[in-house]
Amino acid sequence: SAVISQKPSRDICQRGTSLTIQCQVDSQVTMMFWYRQQPGQSLTLIATANQGSEATYESGFVIDKFPISRPNLTFSTLTVSNMSPEDSSIYLCSVRAGVSYNEQFFGPGTRLTVL
Amino acid sequence: EDQVTQSPEALRLQEGESSSLNCSYTVSGLRGLFWYRQDPGKGPEFLFTLYSAGEEKEKERLKATLTKKESFLHITAPKPEDSATYLCAVQDNYGQNFVFGPGTRLSVLP
Repeated sequence: SAVISQKPSRDICQRGTSLTIQCQVDSQVTMMFWYRQQPGQSLTLIATANQGSEATYESGFVIDKFPISRPNLTFSTLTVSNMSPEDSSIYLCSVRAGVSYNEQFFGPGTRLTVL
Repeated sequence: EDQVTQSPEALRLQEGESSSLNCSYTVSGLRGLFWYRQDPGKGPEFLFTLYSAGEEKEKERLKATLTKKESFLHITAPKPEDSATYLCAVQDNYGQNFVFGPGTRLSVLP
C-alpha cells in the first residue's frame, strides 16, 4: 500500500487568486494522479504527473488553469489558478501500487471553497 | 467510451439487514474493476480489485462479485460503521485512467 498526505486539508479562497496543493507519498512512485470531486459527484481525473516530464491532462483540463509540478518520485503539487466559485471541490492526489500497480490509493483530499 | 453506473443512488438499511449494491459498466476490454469506500471528508479507501467474470473477493462483511456487464457488492449483516459512499471504477486495457461511477451512499441505522 501507499500512505499519502496532502496540504492544506481545506482552504477558503477569494475569486481570482491561486492555491497550490501539495501531495507527499511515503514511497517512490512513477505516476501520480490528480482528481477533482465536485460536491455530490464522483471523481474526475484532472491529469497524470510523471517525474521528469510534462503532466498529461484529460479533456477539459488545461495546464494554464491547473499547473502541476513533479520534482521527484515522492512529491507533486497541483495549482488551481485564477479561481472561480466553480472550482470549489475536493482535490485528491492518488498513486498506484500493488503487484500489478492496479491498486489505486488516495490522499485525504483538499477541500477548496472559492468565494 | 468507458461508462460506469451505480444503483441505487442511496440505500438505507437497518443494522443486520443484508443487501447488494450494483455497478454496471461498459468498457472496451476490462483490465480491472475496483471497489472503494469513501467516508465523508476523506479520500476513497481501496477495497477490492476484480479482473475476470466469475471472480469473487471477500473482506469481513463485504463480498464483491463480477460478471461481464456488472459487479455486485454484497453486504452481509451490516453495522452502522459500514455507512459510507461506495464507489466502483473500471480500467480498460488501452488506457491508464480509472473511470469512476457516481457512487452509492449507504446508511446503516442502529
